[in-house]
Amino acid sequence: AQSVTQLGSHVSVSEGALVLLRCNYSSSVPPYLFWYVQYPNQGLQLLLKYTSAATLVKGINGFEAEFKKSETSFHLTKPSAHMSDAAEYFCAVRRSSASKIIFGSGTRLSIRP
Amino acid sequence: DTEVTQTPKHLVMGMTNKKSLKCEQHMGHRAMYWYKQKAKKPPELMFVYSYEKLSINESVPSRFSPECPNSSLLNLHLHALQPEDSALYLCASSQGLGYDVYTPTTDTQYFGPGTRLTVL
Repeated sequence: AQSVTQLGSHVSVSEGALVLLRCNYSSSVPPYLFWYVQYPNQGLQLLLKYTSAATLVKGINGFEAEFKKSETSFHLTKPSAHMSDAAEYFCAVRRSSASKIIFGSGTRLSIRP
Repeated sequence: DTEVTQTPKHLVMGMTNKKSLKCEQHMGHRAMYWYKQKAKKPPELMFVYSYEKLSINESVPSRFSPECPNSSLLNLHLHALQPEDSALYLCASSQGLGYDVYTPTTDTQYFGPGTRLTVL
């Protein structure tokens, strides 16, 4: 079965520091991978998605993620954290033949002034 | 416009009440979804509608009853809920289901802001 594992339920970084949120997937077929962000008391917003067109995917708000098949990873990064990046981040996977998205357990990102 | 709207924003109901959650999108999407999200947990899929027909029911208790009156609207009727049903209910829509011949596999799901439900 397809799944994603997010390492670290809580990540705290200083403002201006690199943000790295980890996601590993398990899949026997090429996966379709997504990163969503959820701000407090809001719904989910798509940050970026991997479509197999390019291994380095750029998303909104300066985030990007790199698909590494050899490591079965799809980590999310941002060079310089802003206070407004504080939120919950979900990695998700979907098979090519299914409509169901499987979400990871989420990582809460805190930004220190 | 990639907006999915949900009403009400907050809902408090007793265990004997009947209430409904409403979701609306005007993006021409033909697939709509209900998710349930407990605090500090990821969303869990409840139902999927495709072309106004129920496509997936993730073994949801019958006290939750979905309805898709037209391609833009999705309702979730609630009856005899339990306190453990208190959660954030999220609606989402996508152009298609991602695996039919008319839509790309990477079809994106757009989420609404959710309805915060409290069952007393």
